[in-house]
Parts: sequence; structure tokens; C-alpha cells
Amino acid sequence: AQSVSQHNHHVILSEAASLELGCNYSYGGTVNLFWYVQYPGQHLQLLLKYFSGDPLVKGIKGFEAEFIKSKFSFNLRKPSVQWSDTAEYFCAVNPRFKAAGNKLTFGGGTRVLVKP
Amino acid sequence: EAGVAQSPRYKIIEKRQSVAFWCNPISGHATLYWYQQILGQGPKLLIQFQNNGVVDDSQLPKDRFSAERLKGVDSTLKIQPAKLEDSAVYLCASSSFNQGALQTQYFGPGTRLLVL
Repeated sequence: AQSVSQHNHHVILSEAASLELGCNYSYGGTVNLFWYVQYPGQHLQLLLKYFSGDPLVKGIKGFEAEFIKSKFSFNLRKPSVQWSDTAEYFCAVNPRFKAAGNKLTFGGGTRVLVKP
Repeated sequence: EAGVAQSPRYKIIEKRQSVAFWCNPISGHATLYWYQQILGQGPKLLIQFQNNGVVDDSQLPKDRFSAERLKGVDSTLKIQPAKLEDSAVYLCASSSFNQGALQTQYFGPGTRLLVL
């Protein structure tokens, strides 16, 4: 069964600092990759997704993620964070074979606190 | 477009009691998912419906958990009897269906369950 690891459970940084959150998955086949975000008091929202093509994916609110197949990684980045980026971030994987359907396997999440 | 609706938002029960959660997906979404999110962990898929049929319930503890989507629209998840370890947030998500194409899952606000 596939699994997803997010290396940092908590990240604290100041506004304007750069953010990079690590995500690694264990699955030998082709995958679809996602980053979801949960702002305080809100529901999970899709930040960005990768299905195929350019491994550098741009999402909403200035976020981007890079798929490195050889490293089984899909790290999330933002060059300059804002206080409003305080949230919990989840990486998720969907193996791309028919029986997997639309099933997502999530990582444990990273809580990001941006100090004003 | 209205989002995924869930009720109740919070529930406190004692162990061995029963509880039910309700979910109404986005209109027109054929696929509905129930996830369990234990504190400090990422969401874990419990069951996936395609219209009124079960696609995947491999991680549903069937001795105590049950779910139905009788008319292929809204869904109910039940726990009977509840255990302390069932304390978690129960998330409902929905997606449209397009054979062979991965569809984005949209999440509801969740029901936070505390079992005492």
C-alpha cells in the first residue's frame, strides 16, 4: 500500500520568508499528486495538483510544487509567505491505476505558523 | 455553487453509544467519500461511493461503522457502538465522475466527534 510522508510537523517562520514543505511518497507506479490546505476554522481546499506534463506546478496564492520522480517527492514552495498563509498543509497521492479509483492517501500534515 | 454540507458540526457522546453523521455533496457529484481524521494525522479514507454503490470500503471498521447512500445523493455514516479511539473529525468529500479522468475532491467542514 502506498504511503505519504511529510517531514516537518510544525514550521514557524516570519512574513516574507520563503517556505518549502517536503513530501515523499512510497509507490512504484505512476501517481497523481496533490497539496491541500486547511486554514484555521475552514475546510480542506485544493492548493494545486499534478497529473502529468511539466513537473513544476503552479497553484493558487503563489504556491508551486515540483515533482521529482526519481526522488518520489512533491515539495511545496512559496517564495515569500504572508501571515494569511498560516494553515495546515497536506500532501496526498492517488495511484494511477483503474482499481485505485479516485482514492487519496494523505500525509500527516504540516502546521505552518507565519509570524507577522 | 454550494459546497459540501455536513451535520452536526460537533458531537460529544459516551463510549458504547451510537452516533450518525450526515453529508450532502455538491449537486451533481456522483462520487462521495467519508474520511476519518484523527488529531495530528492526515485524513484516512473510510468509504467511497459511486452513486449509491460502494467502490471502496476496505478501511471501514465494519464491526462498528456503517454508511449508506441510498438514493445516490446524501449519505449517512454511523458508528455503533462508539469507542474512545473513534474521537476524530469525520470529513465528507465529493467529486464529479469522469471515467478515466481524475476528479478533484471537494471537502465539507467536517464533524468533530469526541467520545468520552
